[in-house]
Amino acid sequence: GESVGLHLPTLSVQEGDNSIINCAYSNSASDYFIWYKQESGKGPQFIIDIRSNMDKRQGQRVTVLLNKTVKHLSLQIAATQPGDSAVYFCAENPHYNQGGKLIFGQGTELSVKP
Amino acid sequence: GAGVSQSPSNKVTEKGKDVELRCDPISGHTALYWYRQSLGQGLEFLIYFQGNSAPDKSGLPSDRFSAERTGGSVSTLTIQRTQQEDSAVYLCASTNRGGLEETQYFGPGTRLLVL
Repeated sequence: GESVGLHLPTLSVQEGDNSIINCAYSNSASDYFIWYKQESGKGPQFIIDIRSNMDKRQGQRVTVLLNKTVKHLSLQIAATQPGDSAVYFCAENPHYNQGGKLIFGQGTELSVKP
Repeated sequence: GAGVSQSPSNKVTEKGKDVELRCDPISGHTALYWYRQSLGQGLEFLIYFQGNSAPDKSGLPSDRFSAERTGGSVSTLTIQRTQQEDSAVYLCASTNRGGLEETQYFGPGTRLLVL
């Protein structure tokens, strides 16, 4: 069936280091992917998205890479800060033209050590 | 501008009672989604509203769950005869599918605890 999964459930990094969070997806028809950040007690917050016609997109301190050949998505955070500590979810939209409901992975908890 | 708001923020109820959860989407957003998030898990799609079209109810786990969206804006998710397994965070998101915007913006969620 359709699924989006994460390779690492937890990730601990030193402040100032770069972080890489990985995600695998199973639906080759997915054309839109999103990364969300969720802090404790809050709803998911949009970080960055990418369409399937791109393989890289950059934002402020974040970069998303998409490898459609192996159906892999990653989120890179540069110069990780304590405020980046949260759970990060990848999500895919395999049926954008039919409603846009998202399929979420299980999440990776990022812990930033000062 | 204002984001998605949800109420109540927390709800504790007894097994067998009915609950209503409210979502106020971002003004002007045409699409509204409900998701459920169990402890330590990802989000699970429940139901989707787009304009005046019939809602996509394919994610509702049982007929005890229902939702409506009045006037194309506010939505209410109702859970009848609540069970302990209904305990979760219920999240609402909205987006402007009629325009170029695709990103779903989430509210803070309602934390439901069924005793």
